[in-house]
Amino acid sequence: SYELTQPSSVSVSPGQTARITCSGDVLAKKYARWFQQKPGQAPVLVIYKDSERPSGIPERFSGSSSGTTVTLTISGAHVEDEADYYCYSAADNKGEFGGGTKLTVL
Amino acid sequence: EVQVLESGGGLVQPGGSLRLSCEASGFTFSSYAMSWVRQAPGKGLEWVSGISGSGGSTYYGDSVNGRFTISRDNSKNTLYLQMNSLRAEDTAVYSCAKGEDSGSYEPFDYWGQGTLVTVSS
Repeated sequence: SYELTQPSSVSVSPGQTARITCSGDVLAKKYARWFQQKPGQAPVLVIYKDSERPSGIPERFSGSSSGTTVTLTISGAHVEDEADYYCYSAADNKGEFGGGTKLTVL
Repeated sequence: EVQVLESGGGLVQPGGSLRLSCEASGFTFSSYAMSWVRQAPGKGLEWVSGISGSGGSTYYGDSVNGRFTISRDNSKNTLYLQMNSLRAEDTAVYSCAKGEDSGSYEPFDYWGQGTLVTVSS
């Protein structure tokens, strides 16, 4: 098995840039996805293939990759972006989520 | 409108069995792989299992391999998860998620709200 490591929390003020990292050896070979989950709601895909943004996701969400680390960047964070964020990848026919990062915007 | 709706959760004793269902609508079900993801109370997401669009390929996480079986009935647009030998640590909300294409067993763009499974005596 493999692990994906995220910081447990990140905090920014509204309008600031939030960066959430996800590290793991598998990320050097496999794409990552990022999911946003607000309390009581189903997860929402915000980034796939490291940096692709699904339709309907605001342009302030972007993704990047370097070596064994992928980064979700929220440029000019809004209060409504406050949520848990999970990275995800897969290898050897198994999926794996990171432990999740609680983003606070206040 | 794409929708996926889980059902079948409930309270079960340790060692017991339960079958979850996920009914899909709004897309050509057989053209997309599907997956199950669970979330224990207050915890993070855990990928459980995935299945190809045809049902011919199945995949499992280490924690459920050998106890859970994923399947699908494309004529009924329904995904299943048969859970046997349940343990307290299987207690979670189980959600189904649509894949990106027929072969990708990974969760992608549409998720259900989930069904709660509680394993307790």
